[in-house]
Parts: sequence; C-alpha cells; structure tokens
Amino acid sequence: DLQMTQSPSSLSASVGDRVTITCRASQNISRYLNWYQQKPGKAPKFLIYAASSLQSGVPSRFSGSGSGTDFTLTISSLQPEDFATYYCQQSYRTLGWTFGQGTKVEI
Amino acid sequence: EVQLVESGGGLVQPGGSLRLSCAASGFTFSSYSMNWVRQAPGKGLEWVSYITVSSSTIYYADSVKGRFTISRDNAKNSLYLQMNSLRDEDTAVYYCARDYWTGTAGNFDYWGQGTLVTVSS
Repeated sequence: DLQMTQSPSSLSASVGDRVTITCRASQNISRYLNWYQQKPGKAPKFLIYAASSLQSGVPSRFSGSGSGTDFTLTISSLQPEDFATYYCQQSYRTLGWTFGQGTKVEI
Repeated sequence: EVQLVESGGGLVQPGGSLRLSCAASGFTFSSYSMNWVRQAPGKGLEWVSYITVSSSTIYYADSVKGRFTISRDNAKNSLYLQMNSLRDEDTAVYYCARDYWTGTAGNFDYWGQGTLVTVSS
C-alpha cells in the first residue's frame, strides 16, 4: 500500500503565525498530492490539488509545495477560521487513494 | 451551488445490509465521476469506492471489495452504495464526494454532509 505520513500530528499556534505541515509518501507520487481542511462535525474541504494549485475560492494564505515523496502545506498567517484538521491525500495510485492521518491545528 | 446530500445511514447489526443514497444538485451529475469516502469516529479519512460517468469503471478499497457495491442513476442525479455483510469496523460517517479531474482521478472537490452508519449488536 502507498502510505502517507503527516507531521506533526498536532500543533499549537497563534493567530498570525506561519504554519507548515509536512506530508511524506512511501513512494514517488510525482505531484499527485491534495490537501483538505476539516472542521469538527463538518465535511472536508478541498484546498489544494496537484501539490500546489489552489482550489477556487481558497484564500491565498494557503500554499502547497513539493514533489516526489515530500510535500508541505503552508498557512502564511493563521486566521481564527483556520483552526482545523488538515489531511494530505495521494491521487497517484488509482487502486487505493490514501490519506495521511491528519494534522490538528489548535490554539 | 453544488449540493450533495447523503441519506440511508443508521444502526445495523453485524452481517446486515444497508443502502446509502446521495442526491446531487447544482451541477451536471452525468458529467462527473463520483466517490464514497468514510471516516470512523475520531479517525481519519478512508476512500471507499469510485464510479465513472457511465458506470463502466468501478473501483473499491480492498477493505470493502466483495461486500459493497457502488452504482448511480444519472436520470435521478443519484449515487448509491449497497453495503452487505457489514462489520463493526464499517462503522463510520460515509461521505459522497465529486471527483475532480486534474489529469488523474481521485481528487474530491465537493463533499456531502455525510451519513452515519453504526454496525453494532
């Protein structure tokens, strides 16, 4: 199975902070990497696709980078509405799209 | 506005069956592949199944293969998941999610609010 590993599992931050979340794939996935945001009791929200392309309507403070096996999600200036859990997900392997375990961003 | 509304969840005994539905609106349903993704209580996300526009290509996660069946009715703008031989570990919120083509499938751009399936005796 193609495993996705996020770090850290959780982090504490303050409004205005720059936050970086890392996602590592167990094998080369080129740039087939997506990021989602999920708030408690809500469905995930699609933030970034193809490693660095911002989905329409997503604030520009969110950015993604990376290729191969190592990827990052960066929030340039954390806002109150950004406190949530973030998941990476690979769309490289058709039979078995997999998610990271999640990173909870809290105060 | 894209809307996906799941229904059909509930409490079922191990070994039982359940059929989930997802009603789509706000976009041309017959032009998009669709997925089911689940989330066990307090856990992460797990992709479950995928179906193309014409139902010609269908994929399942190994964990549900042989027990779950995905289908769609483009005339009714609806997606379905027939779940048989349910196990405790199938307990989760089940989301339907639209597939967004970026050169590959498996990118989930819109999600429903989810429906809870609880498998317990």
